[in-house]
Amino acid sequence: KNEVEQSPQNLTAQEGEFITINCSYSVGISALHWLQQHPGGGIVSLFMLSSGKKKHGRLIATINIQEKHSSLHITASHPRDSAVYICAPANTGNQFYFGTGTSLTVIP
Amino acid sequence: EAGVAQSPRYKIIEKRQSVAFWCNPISGHATLYWYQQILGQGPKLLIQFQNNGVVDDSQLPKDRFSAERLKGVDSTLKIQPAKLEDSAVYLCASQLGTTVGELFFGEGSRLTVL
Repeated sequence: KNEVEQSPQNLTAQEGEFITINCSYSVGISALHWLQQHPGGGIVSLFMLSSGKKKHGRLIATINIQEKHSSLHITASHPRDSAVYICAPANTGNQFYFGTGTSLTVIP
Repeated sequence: EAGVAQSPRYKIIEKRQSVAFWCNPISGHATLYWYQQILGQGPKLLIQFQNNGVVDDSQLPKDRFSAERLKGVDSTLKIQPAKLEDSAVYLCASQLGTTVGELFFGEGSRLTVL
């Protein structure tokens, strides 16, 4: 069983749509990271959160520690949001567990 | 602030040859990671350093892979001899401290083994 499960694996949306990517994990964590990877590009950290909710521009990340679940929301999606989004919980020893990612394509 | 620097960006070698990748983390970052990312998969940890000490190398194929961070700053990852299945992107990442913190990635080094 994978420690991290993301859904959906692939997602295609029309520009302007509200998008949700879900992440469930089975390990005990100190924090959870959401990462963004553009094709052929490096990985950028979007959020690090250990409780509640964080917002940055059109991106919102939430986490429920008791249910071991996190979501990444994108409001008013744009073609430049097309990327792979990776959920990465980290335990207290700073060991990261990476999901396989959600590939998002936003069509103009 | 300069980001995590990696080189080379791309490398093509034949199987059984050797290759080395270099990473310079953000200045002052204590923790450095090397990950292997095969196409369509999430990153897989190869080795984690805190300063110049190894914290976790349990998934490093030690018969062919080696890594060092001698002065606790930059790091080198070597593969010798390379196999076809080593074709992947090798990502270096760093963190400021030794506990929870934001992760900063380099652009990666894409290796193709023919």
